[in-house]
Amino acid sequence: GAVVSQHPSRVICKSGTSVKIECRSLDFQATTMFWYRQFPKQSLMLMATSNEGSKATYEQGVEKDKFLINHASLTLSTLTVTSAHPEDSSFYICSAGGRGSSYNEQFFGPGTRLTVL
Amino acid sequence: AQKITQTQPGMFVQEKEAVTLDCTYDTSDQSYGLFWYKQPSSGEMIFLIYQGSYDEQNATEGRYSLNFQKARKSANLVISASQLGDSAMYFCAMREGWGGGGNKLTFGTGTQLKVEL
Repeated sequence: GAVVSQHPSRVICKSGTSVKIECRSLDFQATTMFWYRQFPKQSLMLMATSNEGSKATYEQGVEKDKFLINHASLTLSTLTVTSAHPEDSSFYICSAGGRGSSYNEQFFGPGTRLTVL
Repeated sequence: AQKITQTQPGMFVQEKEAVTLDCTYDTSDQSYGLFWYKQPSSGEMIFLIYQGSYDEQNATEGRYSLNFQKARKSANLVISASQLGDSAMYFCAMREGWGGGGNKLTFGTGTQLKVEL
């Protein structure tokens, strides 16, 4: 299957700082990327969907000014958590989908564990 | 209403036994896809198996099979000959509509499977 990477895998930051997480599709063109958040022992909750070259679509209840998503190319999407607070501590996972009709075109990155002190 | 329901928060199975993880779904779409993912403690999402709404045969992938009962809107995962390495969280997910990787997935709450000696 296709490979999706995330960087960093783990980050610890102070309250009030901003953190950028990168999601890259390494061997295919990701026309759509998804960002999920997962709290311990809970399910994945979709935060937003981003299509290359256009603004992200945020799920209800997700603050677009706090979670900035950029999908400037077919291989890279970034999630920036602005003015992070301890309640933003979570596991963030991206997935990438490409063009075509194959069912398994959504591939997940390994996740980024964010801890805000 | 929940779109994906997993009613078993935790399951235990003995090594080499088979286990069934339950999943029911709710959609009014005619075209949809059902997925099962495994998430070990490392956090990565591992794709296991897929069933399309128009597929007449139950999907199988090695030791994994999907018991698809469309009229009951259920898509249970069967793991045969359980191994210790199968211990993980298992998520059922649904993609509504058609569009391959461009459509978002909705996840169930997950089932924590523990394989015992």
